[in-house]
This record gives sequence, C-alpha cells and structure tokens, in this order.
Amino acid sequence: GNSVTQMEGPVTLSEEAFLTINCTYTATGYPSLFWYVQYPGEGLQLLLKATKADDKGSNKGFEATYRKETTSFHLEKGSVQVSDSAVYFCALSILPAGGSYIPTFGRGTSLIVHP
Amino acid sequence: KAGVTQTPRYLIKTRGQQVTLSCSPISGHRSVSWYQQTPGQGLQFLFEYFSETQRNKGNFPGRFSGRQFSNSRSEMNVSTLELGDSALYLCASSLDEGGTDTQYFGPGTRLTVL
Repeated sequence: GNSVTQMEGPVTLSEEAFLTINCTYTATGYPSLFWYVQYPGEGLQLLLKATKADDKGSNKGFEATYRKETTSFHLEKGSVQVSDSAVYFCALSILPAGGSYIPTFGRGTSLIVHP
Repeated sequence: KAGVTQTPRYLIKTRGQQVTLSCSPISGHRSVSWYQQTPGQGLQFLFEYFSETQRNKGNFPGRFSGRQFSNSRSEMNVSTLELGDSALYLCASSLDEGGTDTQYFGPGTRLTVL
C-alpha cells in the first residue's frame, strides 16, 4: 500500500535558521504530493503541492521538489520565523485507474521556532 | 468565500452513545472527505462523498457512517461510541472527486468520549 514517512519532531530552530523537513513516500504509480500545515487549534491548510516529477511547489518562502528517483518531497525554508511554528504534514494522493483512492498522510512534524 | 465550517466544535459523549457531526463545504465544492486525527494514529481517512454518493472509504468499522445532502453538506455519524473514538474529526472539501484535487480543511470537531 501507499505510505508517507516524515522525520520525527519536534524540530527546534532559532529564528532565521534554515529549515528542512524530510519526507519520503512509497506508492504504486505516480502520486501528487502535498505539504499541509496545522496551526494550534486549527484544521490543516495546504502549504504547497506538486503533481509530477521535478515539479517544485512553493508558497510563503517554503519550497519542495518532487523527486521521483529518490521518492522524496522534502520541505525547505531559507529563514524561519516564530510564526512558522506549527505541525507540518506531508501527504500523497493517487487515483489509480478503476480503483478508489485513499489519501495518505505522514505522522506530522512539529516545528518550534524560538526568537 | 467562506471556508469549510464544522459543527459543533467540541462535543463530550459517554460510551455507548451515538454522535452526529456536521460539515458545510466551501460553496461550489462537491466533494467532502472526513478524517480522524489522534496522537497515536495520526491523520486517517474515513470516507469521501461526492454528489451524495460515498466514493471512497478508509479502514474503519461500520459504526462510522456518513451521508451527503444535495447541497453538498455532509454529516458523519458514529454509533456505539468507544473510548478510542476520542479524536479530532476533520472535514475537507474539494471541487472534484478525490485524487489530486486540493482539499480545504475545516477547523475540526473535538470529540471526547468518557
């Protein structure tokens, strides 16, 4: 079956530090890949997505590149802010021909940014 | 455009009771998916409804059911509640049926089973 593996957190950084959150996946076929962010007390919000190999998704300074050869979709940001403190979820979605899909999420990585 | 709304936001029930949660999708969205989020299991897909029909279903017992109305609003029902059903239940809507379309999540309903 499909699966998503994220690095365990929490990830603790100082403001303006570089962020990487690793995400690898296994899937039969060619999934679309997503990063979602969940702030305390809220639902998930789409951060960025990529629908095919070598696509780069970007939003609010965050970037992730769909790497088919390494089955990865690592999230990066050059300079984090305190306001980036949240839980980040990597996810995949695939619609196989003739079959139903089950969207698959990673366990989430908590990011804590200190001033 | 208003976002996805879920009611109620918080709910406390006792074992054996049943509960109904409601989700109103973004206007124009025809797909509604439900998820259960717990610290132990993370985010797990329950089911998806599109045009009033259940299109996809996750690996949950039959106590979990749902429906979708003609205006795309959806309800989720859990019967014979167990302690392990305590969780944050998230609803997400998208324009089209499942797959690669972007999902927009509501704030969730926090269910506590005593």
